Amino acid sequence: AQKVTQAQTEISVVEKEDVTLDCVYETRDTTYYLFWYKQPPSGELVFLIRRNSFDEQNEISGRYSWNFQKSTSSFNFTITASQVVDSAVYFCALSEAISGYSTLTFGKGTMLLVSP
Amino acid sequence: DTAVSQTPKYLVTQMGNDKSIKCEQNLGHDTMYWYKQDSKKFLKIMFSYNNKELIINETVPNRFSPKSPDKAHLNLHINSLELGDSAVYFCASSQPGQGADGYTFGSGTRLTVV
Repeated sequence: AQKVTQAQTEISVVEKEDVTLDCVYETRDTTYYLFWYKQPPSGELVFLIRRNSFDEQNEISGRYSWNFQKSTSSFNFTITASQVVDSAVYFCALSEAISGYSTLTFGKGTMLLVSP
Repeated sequence: DTAVSQTPKYLVTQMGNDKSIKCEQNLGHDTMYWYKQDSKKFLKIMFSYNNKELIINETVPNRFSPKSPDKAHLNLHINSLELGDSAVYFCASSQPGQGADGYTFGSGTRLTVV
C-alpha cells in the first residue's frame, strides 16, 4: 500500500524566512509520480509540481524549490524568502497507477503560517 | 474557460435529505475522480471512472452513488445524508496512461449537513 507522510502538522515563520516542508513516501511501484499542491484559505487545490520517479533532478521555480531523493524516499519542498501570501496548507501526494489510471494518495498536509 | 467545474460550490442541507453534486470537465480527459476532504483536511479518493465505467470504489457507503452520463461528466449523488458526510468534495480528471500528467482538480463543493 502506498503512503505519504508529512510529519510537520503546522509551521510558523516570519516573513522572509526560508522554510522547508518535508514529505516522505512509501511505494512498491518502480514508476510513480510525486506532487505538491497548495490549498490557500479560499479552499481550491493549486498544483505546484509533478515529478516522476526517474527524474531526480532538483527543480527551482522562483522562490520554490524541490529536492527529490529516492534513496531516502523523500520529496521536500522549500520556500525561500517566505511571504504572507504563502500561508496555506501544503499537500504532498503520490500517484498510484492501476492499469494506467492514477489515483493520488495524499499526505495529511502541513499548514504554513507566515506572519509579517 | 474553467477546466473542471463543480456545482454547487456550497451546499447546506438537513440530515436525511438526498443531494447531488455535479462535475464537468472540458479537457477531453477519459478519467474522472471524486475525492473527499474531511474536517481535518485529509484528502482521500472515493471513486474513479474511466470513459463512463467505474474502475475504483474505495469502500464508500452505498449511500454515495456516482453517475457518469458521458466521459465529460461525473456526478455524485448522496442519499440519506448524515452529519459525518459534511466535507469538501473535489472532482478531478486526468488522461490515463500519461503518468498523471494534466491531473486537474475542480474548486471543490463544501457540503454541510445540519
